Amino acid sequence: ETGVTQSPTHLIKTRGQQVTLRCSSQSGHNTVSWYQQALGQGPQFIFQYYREEENGRGNFPPRFSGLQFPNYSSELNVNALELDDSALYLCASSLGGIYTDTQYFGPGTRLTVL
Amino acid sequence: DAKTTQPPSMDCAEGRAANLPCNHSTISGNEYVYWYRQIHSQGPQYIIHGLKNNETNEMASLIITEDRKSSTLILPHATLRDTAVYYCIVARDGQNFVFGPGTRLSVLP
Repeated sequence: ETGVTQSPTHLIKTRGQQVTLRCSSQSGHNTVSWYQQALGQGPQFIFQYYREEENGRGNFPPRFSGLQFPNYSSELNVNALELDDSALYLCASSLGGIYTDTQYFGPGTRLTVL
Repeated sequence: DAKTTQPPSMDCAEGRAANLPCNHSTISGNEYVYWYRQIHSQGPQYIIHGLKNNETNEMASLIITEDRKSSTLILPHATLRDTAVYYCIVARDGQNFVFGPGTRLSVLP
């Protein structure tokens, strides 16, 4: 167990809708990263938050956005869902800052867009 | 693009050592080598990481060549539960991982 939890486990949405996925990091971890994993592929980095501010972003459009809260929880929001957004969404927490760090992943949320 | 290349798949007999190779010829001096594994549809699990010295923990050993252009993850006594996709990643500070397709390890009875 990594101490990182995600909700919900599974989610079904239709094209054009909006979705919010949630993550609870390990206590004391100031950094959370979100990844998208399509079937049969490795995870792809979406963005990272450090102390409630975005601290890096991968090649994802602005309709992917996030929030990080002081209580070590965070959200991934996706607007205007597309069929290709169907994937496993993973969050990972780490200490962040100046540390040479290790990321600990949650179990993921499986999103299906119909 | 990932800075690592790994064989797409490998088999290993149960109880034998599994040696998973990774090439990272463009690694920078301040980049670490990380290994994770992912059992079907679960989140990736951290295994081990290192900079230039060999590392060992309760799960595995990591052997990094002297020129740091390649490494090998060793699972000393593979079990059926070690069947997973293994990812080798290079990263400067443990952030913003770029995953490749990894190696699918099948441990056979």
